[in-house]
Amino acid sequence: GNSVTQMEGPVTLSEEAFLTINCTYTATGYPSLFWYVQYPGEGLQLLLKATKADDKGSNKGFEATYRKETTSFHLEKGSVQVSDSAVYFCALIPRDNYGQNFVFGPGTRLSVLP
Amino acid sequence: DTGVSQNPRHKITKRGQNVTFRCDPISEHNRLYWYRQTLGQGPEFLTYFQNEAQLEKSRLLSDRFSAERPKGSFSTLEIQRTEQGDSAMYLCASSLELGRGDTQYFGPGTRLTVL
Repeated sequence: GNSVTQMEGPVTLSEEAFLTINCTYTATGYPSLFWYVQYPGEGLQLLLKATKADDKGSNKGFEATYRKETTSFHLEKGSVQVSDSAVYFCALIPRDNYGQNFVFGPGTRLSVLP
Repeated sequence: DTGVSQNPRHKITKRGQNVTFRCDPISEHNRLYWYRQTLGQGPEFLTYFQNEAQLEKSRLLSDRFSAERPKGSFSTLEIQRTEQGDSAMYLCASSLELGRGDTQYFGPGTRLTVL
């Protein structure tokens, strides 16, 4: 079946630290891959996405590269800010899923301290 | 663009009662999705509509759950004879079908607590 595994949180970093949140997936074929972010009290927001192997998604200083050989889509940011504190969800849409409903990972909570 | 809205934001009910949630998608979006999220977990897909047609339902959607989108605009999710295990955040999302990987926009969710 299709599944997404993320590193367990919470992750606590100091401001301006480097961030990596690992994400690996299991899926048939080549899924589309996404990172969503949920800020406190708000709904899920798309952060970035990649729809084919070797694509790099980027937004707001965050990046993730679709690695087919390692079935991974790790999220990185070079210098985090306090405002990046949120829960980050890695997700996929299977290739054969016409409805395009997501399979989400469990989420990783990030806390950035000033 | 007012985004996806959901009402109510919070619902507390007693076991055995029926509850209904409403989702208003972004106006031009033809696809609407329902997800359920429990504490510490990612959202799990429940069902989705394309216009007024309900095209897919997850095995998570027991016969106590029913969803409608009568005119292809807003949608309702009803849970009959609620159980404590139904306590969760119910999320709605909408998208405009453009192709594979089109963005889903999520609402703030309705938090259900079953006592």
